[in-house]
Amino acid sequence: AQSVTQLDSHVSVSEGTPVLLRCNYSSSYSPSLFWYVQHPNKGLQLLLKYTSAATLVKGINGFEAEFKKSETSFHLTKPSAHMSDAAEYFCVVTPMDSSYKLIFGSGTRLLVRP
Amino acid sequence: SAVISQKPSRDICQRGTSLTIQCQVDSQVTMMFWYRQQPGQSLTLIATANQGSEATYESGFVIDKFPISRPNLTFSTLTVSNMSPEDSSIYLCSVVASGRGSSYNEQFFGPGTRLTVL
Repeated sequence: AQSVTQLDSHVSVSEGTPVLLRCNYSSSYSPSLFWYVQHPNKGLQLLLKYTSAATLVKGINGFEAEFKKSETSFHLTKPSAHMSDAAEYFCVVTPMDSSYKLIFGSGTRLLVRP
Repeated sequence: SAVISQKPSRDICQRGTSLTIQCQVDSQVTMMFWYRQQPGQSLTLIATANQGSEATYESGFVIDKFPISRPNLTFSTLTVSNMSPEDSSIYLCSVVASGRGSSYNEQFFGPGTRLTVL
């Protein structure tokens, strides 16, 4: 079965410092992987998607993620955190029987200190 | 892309009653999904609601508890029946549509309906 594990429930960084949100996946085939962001009282927004075209995926708002098959990881990074980045981030994988049924990780809450 | 609205945005309901949540999309879409997000937890897929076919439910969810309608390509409803406090969650609908400025489809989510059952 496919699954994703987000290794940190909370991550706290200072504004202007790098962000690293960790995600490991479990899949018996080459998966599609996503990062979604959920701001308080707002809907989910797609940050980026890995489709096997390139291992380094660039998303919106300066975020990027690197697919590492050898490590079964898809960590999300940003060089410099902004206060507006404070939100809940979900790593997501799609199961083999449907490319649109999403399996969500448990989420990582990013806190950005001034 | 797709813009999705949900009604109501939030509600407080009594145990044993039912609530119907509406999901409206600004464009015609074939694939629509309903998710549940329990307090402090991640999203779990309830069912897939494609127009012209019966909804397909995930393990742990049944039609009697969560009946779904999909009368056309822009609208769907999810009913939470015979509610209990354990049903207190955010319920979100999502659709598959062409991504903004991209060649692949992506899944867009509605703002969610926050349900509290007393």
